[in-house]
Amino acid sequence: QVTLRESGPALVKPTQTLTLTCTFSGFSLSTSGTCVSWIRQPPGKALEWLAFIDWDDEKYNSTSLKTRLTISKDTSKNQVVLKMTNMDPVDTATYYCARCRYGDFLYFDYWGQGTLVTVSS
Amino acid sequence: EIVLTQSPGTLSLSPGERATLSCRASQSVSSSYLAWYQQKPGQAPRLLIYGASSRATGIPDRFSGSGSGTDFILTISRLEPEDFAVYYCQQYGSSPPKFIFGPGTKVDIK
Repeated sequence: QVTLRESGPALVKPTQTLTLTCTFSGFSLSTSGTCVSWIRQPPGKALEWLAFIDWDDEKYNSTSLKTRLTISKDTSKNQVVLKMTNMDPVDTATYYCARCRYGDFLYFDYWGQGTLVTVSS
Repeated sequence: EIVLTQSPGTLSLSPGERATLSCRASQSVSSSYLAWYQQKPGQAPRLLIYGASSRATGIPDRFSGSGSGTDFILTISRLEPEDFAVYYCQQYGSSPPKFIFGPGTKVDIK
């Protein structure tokens, strides 16, 4: 059974760095074709992809947030960590981690329940 | 940069009716990397369709996807009460590598 769970602070102050951890089970991020992404959703708005890391440690970031994002993995702990610097109130959103599978196709098949992060002083 | 446009923004229908949702890309995209998700209030998105037309595991056959190039369609043949939700299309592009979501279509009860 595949599960993912996001954890991190619910409240951060402007200019601070946000660190979120995705802890997963039921799959290994060392398996070929497996990847994990972070996706966020501001209240009442659409989904926005943030970052991606795969079994081979390939990493991609959103071009609009590229300089602020760092994604990393700890395969032994089954965790993926996202760091976002210089947080701003517009970054208030629910942050999801999701497993992706790719080969002939590419899609997010399992999602965490999300964690709401509010940016406010 | 590829942009996904979804229409209509809101679709008001009754249970039992057919829903047709559109996702249009600003340039031709690979069908292999086109997916659809359903999201209900307070819940994470759920994968419905991948590869433009393949149903994900456990998805009822009233959901179907079609299309190619720039135009993709999600069809719900007969709406059930649990189908009223927001639907997003998503595409993966490789140059540069990125994932793009459409703005969503809300299907609500008429």
